Amino acid sequence: NAGVMQNPRHLVRRRGQEARLRCSPMKGHSHVYWYRQLPEEGLKFMVYLQKENIIDESGMPKERFSAEFPKEGPSILRIQQVVRGDSAAYFCASSRDPQGRGYGYTFGSGTRLTVV
Amino acid sequence: DQQVKQNSPSLSVQEGRISILNCDYTNSMFDYFLWYKKYPAEGPTFLISISSIKDKNEDGRFTVFLNKSAKHLSLHIVPSQPGDSAVYFCAASASEKLVFGKGTKLTVNP
Repeated sequence: NAGVMQNPRHLVRRRGQEARLRCSPMKGHSHVYWYRQLPEEGLKFMVYLQKENIIDESGMPKERFSAEFPKEGPSILRIQQVVRGDSAAYFCASSRDPQGRGYGYTFGSGTRLTVV
Repeated sequence: DQQVKQNSPSLSVQEGRISILNCDYTNSMFDYFLWYKKYPAEGPTFLISISSIKDKNEDGRFTVFLNKSAKHLSLHIVPSQPGDSAVYFCAASASEKLVFGKGTKLTVNP
């Protein structure tokens, strides 16, 4: 049962380093969504991508954050020059099409980023 | 500006009794509402959803009720089981984005 695969599960970075988070969607899913969960908070939307296209990045911080979903390979969320406030759990979700939202997207287990 | 609110951070019930988790929203453009269950160190798992054209949806032990005029929805779990202990997130959407509440931690005591 190949669900949404995220790696690494845990990532520790020093302030100023780069963090790369990977997400492989479920087989047959071409829509990927990234969410961030800060401590004691709900999940917050960051970006929605289809293959090779960013559809909605309204939740992405304007600086240091970028996302891609290439034709081949996983989706990547990249955080440059990390700061302590970036420490959070980052979840990826996928769907076959955006209309599947009523049935609930499938989430991965998340990457827990700790910035020291 | 929190568009989806879960005002109870925690709830404790006895096994076999009903659990009722509540959620309020402010955006009248939301047309889908969902409940997710989350265990520690795992991703959210979809439980049940409801379209804004309905007022009730049932799936086994789980029932979601929607009161559009009050902008309120609730999740009923009956009978509650110890394995239901988790954090429950209410989510709403008007597009492909989901807007989540902060969650309610449910503890079902044996």
